[in-house]
Amino acid sequence: ETGVTQSPTHLIKTRGQQVTLRCSSQSGHNTVSWYQQALGQGPQFIFQYYREEENGRGNFPPRFSGLQFPNYSSELNVNALELDDSALYLCASSPRDNYGYTFGSGTRLTVV
Amino acid sequence: SQQGEEDPQALSIQEGENATMNCSYKTSINNLQWYRQNSGRGLVHLILIRSNEREKHSGRLRVTLDTSKKSSSLLITASRAADTASYFCALEPGAGSYQLTFGKGTKLSVIP
Repeated sequence: ETGVTQSPTHLIKTRGQQVTLRCSSQSGHNTVSWYQQALGQGPQFIFQYYREEENGRGNFPPRFSGLQFPNYSSELNVNALELDDSALYLCASSPRDNYGYTFGSGTRLTVV
Repeated sequence: SQQGEEDPQALSIQEGENATMNCSYKTSINNLQWYRQNSGRGLVHLILIRSNEREKHSGRLRVTLDTSKKSSSLLITASRAADTASYFCALEPGAGSYQLTFGKGTKLSVIP
């Protein structure tokens, strides 16, 4: 098992720019979720993909969008970056219901 | 969506002692999961307990679930310095919704 890998590990962007974060799910996992974690807080659910379809969305604006590819890897896109978007972005995958999630190490995004 | 609340927010113990963390929630769940996070890195899945289960063990970890009180506890026995981390409970509501909602976590410090 290779686990969940995320890239890049760190990123600095300017307010108003766009960013794409990438995630490779663990082999055999067809469900991928994205979370945003601000400093000192618990992760907040952004959205989940199951077999390339969005399968649930948290309380995030439309400028947060995503994709899941046939190989179950995924992207998180954020447009018109704001300072408050600075956070750790976590990707998590799971093979099925009631199984728990494997998390990647995250991408630390700083918006200046 | 509902959120689990961990208690205490911070806990400091000596190596070899037991650590107990609690999680309370407000609505029904499909399962409850515990995760560990070291210094702002990715989360590590510890234990998943289903709503029809009352207790689960994994090595030095023991998790209980009381659905009538809407609470769960995580016990770490014979703690080690390496157990120093933040611990989060995460709720999965089920009924077609698989997003996890996290609390703010308990920060555990194990002093050698």
